[in-house]
Amino acid sequence: KNEVEQSPQNLTAQEEEFITINCSYSVGISALHWLQQHPGGGIVSLFMLSSGKKKHGRLIATINIQEKHSSLHITASHPRDSAVYICAVGAQKLVFGQGTRLTINP
Amino acid sequence: NAGVMQNPRHLVRRRGQEARLRCSPVKGHSHVYWYRQLPEEGLKFMVYLQKENIIDESGMPKERFSAEFPKEGPSILRIQQVVRGDSAAYFCASSPFGGGNQPQHFGDGTRLSIL
Repeated sequence: KNEVEQSPQNLTAQEEEFITINCSYSVGISALHWLQQHPGGGIVSLFMLSSGKKKHGRLIATINIQEKHSSLHITASHPRDSAVYICAVGAQKLVFGQGTRLTINP
Repeated sequence: NAGVMQNPRHLVRRRGQEARLRCSPVKGHSHVYWYRQLPEEGLKFMVYLQKENIIDESGMPKERFSAEFPKEGPSILRIQQVVRGDSAAYFCASSPFGGGNQPQHFGDGTRLSIL
């Protein structure tokens, strides 16, 4: 079993739909990161959180330390949100989930 | 551009050649991390360096791979005698300090292809 598990692996939705991507981890952590990777492109750090909830524009990330679970939500999704979303945990040495490939159709 | 700069973006090598990947961290960042993304796989940690020191190289293959982050200049990931299985995207990230709870700033990666 991987230390970081994401679900779903693939997600296709229509524009404007509310999106939720889940991340469960089995190790103790100091922080959890949500990253975005576009095809053939670089990696952008979206959030780093160790408790509670963070919001940036249409993106919301939550974490439940007791349940070792985090969610990334996208409100009013748009085709430009299509990307791979990656959950990672750790201090210096990040351990990554396999990623969730999100496709938003117009 | 004050972000992490990696070059080259794409690198093609023949089997047996050497590959050198460069990473210039965000200005003022003294901690650098290298990650590898094999085709159709997730990202994996390779090595964590601070200026002139290797802090954690537990993810580095035992042979052919080495990394450095000199006092001056970029961090270098060096792969000697490349093989087809080295084909991957190599990402560098940097942070201002070590320890936990530090956001890591990622570069755009170097796509290495071995012929």
